[in-house]
Amino acid sequence: GQSLEQPSEVTAVEGAIVQINCTYQTSGFYGLSWYQQHDGGAPTFLSYNALDGLEETGRFSSFLSRSDSYGYLLLQELQMKDSASYFCAGPYNQGGKLIFGQGTELSVKP
Amino acid sequence: GAGVSQSPSNKVTEKGKDVELRCDPISGHTALYWYRQSLGQGLEFLIYFQGNSAPDKSGLPSDRFSAERTGGSVSTLTIQRTQQEDSAVYLCASSLRTGHRDEQFFGPGTRLTVL
Repeated sequence: GQSLEQPSEVTAVEGAIVQINCTYQTSGFYGLSWYQQHDGGAPTFLSYNALDGLEETGRFSSFLSRSDSYGYLLLQELQMKDSASYFCAGPYNQGGKLIFGQGTELSVKP
Repeated sequence: GAGVSQSPSNKVTEKGKDVELRCDPISGHTALYWYRQSLGQGLEFLIYFQGNSAPDKSGLPSDRFSAERTGGSVSTLTIQRTQQEDSAVYLCASSLRTGHRDEQFFGPGTRLTVL
């Protein structure tokens, strides 16, 4: 099958570091994408991991371990504006469609 | 430049009516996708167009749903005989489809409410 699992919600304080985990089913899996969606807004692309290891983009980093069928998004120096839903998603079977996880709602508290 | 646009932004219809949702992708993007998102849920893939290839319709939930893409650009998603469970936000995305690192650009969505 093709599915991705992630926690439904995470809470953290401003300035802290938070990690959002994602596990996936491996059949046909090609890589792991992360999207951010603010309430009422459109999803926006954050990162993509094709290979194992860490990809860093500013305050955001994303990690993939194919052997563990696991990845995570790491957000550092949290800001109030980071409060949003974060989705992991995978392209499968060389196709263009993305299979999305159910999303993790991140709440950043002062 | 202009992003992905969708119209209408909101649509309220009665059960049993047909609706058409429109998507204008980013110019030059060869790939176009339709997803739907129910309240508080993830995105559910519906259909994918890539260039002149046959579309991937594997996500369409029933034969009441259909989509077309004219001239490799604008796309229309049609839902016939709407049901209350069709109520959701319908999102369109486009991309350059240059590989697996396929950054998809999403439109603002059409919120469909079926009464």
